[in-house]
Amino acid sequence: DVKVTQSSRYLVKRTGEKVFLECVQDMDHENMFWYRQDPGLGLRLIYFSYDVKMKEKGDIPEGYSVSREKKERFSLILESASTNQTSMYLCATANEKLFFGSGTQLSVL
Amino acid sequence: QKEVEQNSGPLSVPEGAIASLNCTYSDRGSQSFFWYRQYSGKSPELIMSIYSNGDKEDGRFTAQLNKASQYVSLLIRDSQPSDSATYLCAVIPSGGYNKLIFGAGTRLAVHP
Repeated sequence: DVKVTQSSRYLVKRTGEKVFLECVQDMDHENMFWYRQDPGLGLRLIYFSYDVKMKEKGDIPEGYSVSREKKERFSLILESASTNQTSMYLCATANEKLFFGSGTQLSVL
Repeated sequence: QKEVEQNSGPLSVPEGAIASLNCTYSDRGSQSFFWYRQYSGKSPELIMSIYSNGDKEDGRFTAQLNKASQYVSLLIRDSQPSDSATYLCAVIPSGGYNKLIFGAGTRLAVHP
């Protein structure tokens, strides 16, 4: 079974804080993704990585950056958290199919 | 703009009935199609994938793909209350995984 582990299930941060969301996969997949999911807006791709140190912007990259120093780990960084970044964040990995982690519900106050 | 459309529901069916969930997509070059189930507060879980025209069955689930008409559907036979969830249709259009598009989801409610 594919295992995609996100470091936190719930996270509460203050406006302006730097936030790190970590994701680790155990399947040696090259492709990893960060999505956010909001009611009424569905799943939106923030960033995509197809190899170590390689990244590609998704549909909504503004306010976010990513890091992929090792194949199994893909981090999402909110440089200066804002209230409109309150959301469910989902990491995923793919070979032929996309598998999600359990998600991080981030609240920015 | 490439799109994936689903009826938001809720689709309400009695226990034991067949639930039929539909999805249409706009990109004729789409190659791969997926159905995900998402319980409230949880992450999406892959339940079916389909790549060629026709039906694909897995237990109580059947995925149907018609590329000429650009729709994909999911049938759930003998629906159970535990099937109550939001079902997301996802399509990989021409361009690869980084272009994967999700529909907004259909909420299914199975009542006893």
